[in-house]
Amino acid sequence: AQSVTQLDSQVPVFEEAPVELRCNYSSSVSVYLFWYVQYPNQGLQLLLKYLSGSTLVKGINGFEAEFNKSQTSFHLRKPSVHISDTAEYFCAVSESTNAGKSTFGDGTTLTVKP
Amino acid sequence: GAGVSQSPSNKVTEKGKDVELRCDPISGHTALYWYRQSLGQGLEFLIYFQGNSAPDKSGLPSDRFSAERTGGSVSTLTIQRTQQEDSAVYLCASSYNSWNPGNTIYFGEGSWLTVV
Repeated sequence: AQSVTQLDSQVPVFEEAPVELRCNYSSSVSVYLFWYVQYPNQGLQLLLKYLSGSTLVKGINGFEAEFNKSQTSFHLRKPSVHISDTAEYFCAVSESTNAGKSTFGDGTTLTVKP
Repeated sequence: GAGVSQSPSNKVTEKGKDVELRCDPISGHTALYWYRQSLGQGLEFLIYFQGNSAPDKSGLPSDRFSAERTGGSVSTLTIQRTQQEDSAVYLCASSYNSWNPGNTIYFGEGSWLTVV
């Protein structure tokens, strides 16, 4: 069965600083990987996804993530954050054998300070 | 509708009572998912439906939980004999279909359930 570990529960950063939110997964088959964002008082929305091909994927709002199969990681990065990026971020994985069932990490709260 | 709609948005119920949570997916979406988000935790998969196929119920935590999807559209999640540990946000989502992982999954804003 697949599992996801988000290594940091909270990440505080200053505005315009770079940020990396870490995600590791475990699975015995090939996987699809996702990052979702949940802004305060809003529902989850997809930030980006890795299905196949290029290991560097770009998403909305200037975020990108890199799939590293050898390290079973899918870390999310942004070179310069804004106050409006303050939100909770969830990493998720689904397996090629059952793409409809996603497993989510516990979330990382990103707080951007002025 | 424009998005996934869930009702009620908030529900307070007494321990031991049954509750029903409703989800109206995006029109044309054949896949519908239910997740649970407890305070400070990630999303826990409960069940998903794909068209008229038998649902994947592997995430339902106990036989007190059940879900149905009538006519391939609206879904109802039922929790019988609620317990305090059932208190959580119940999230519904839908996508065009579940077998293509490239299809974006759209989430509703959730139903907040509090069992007192």
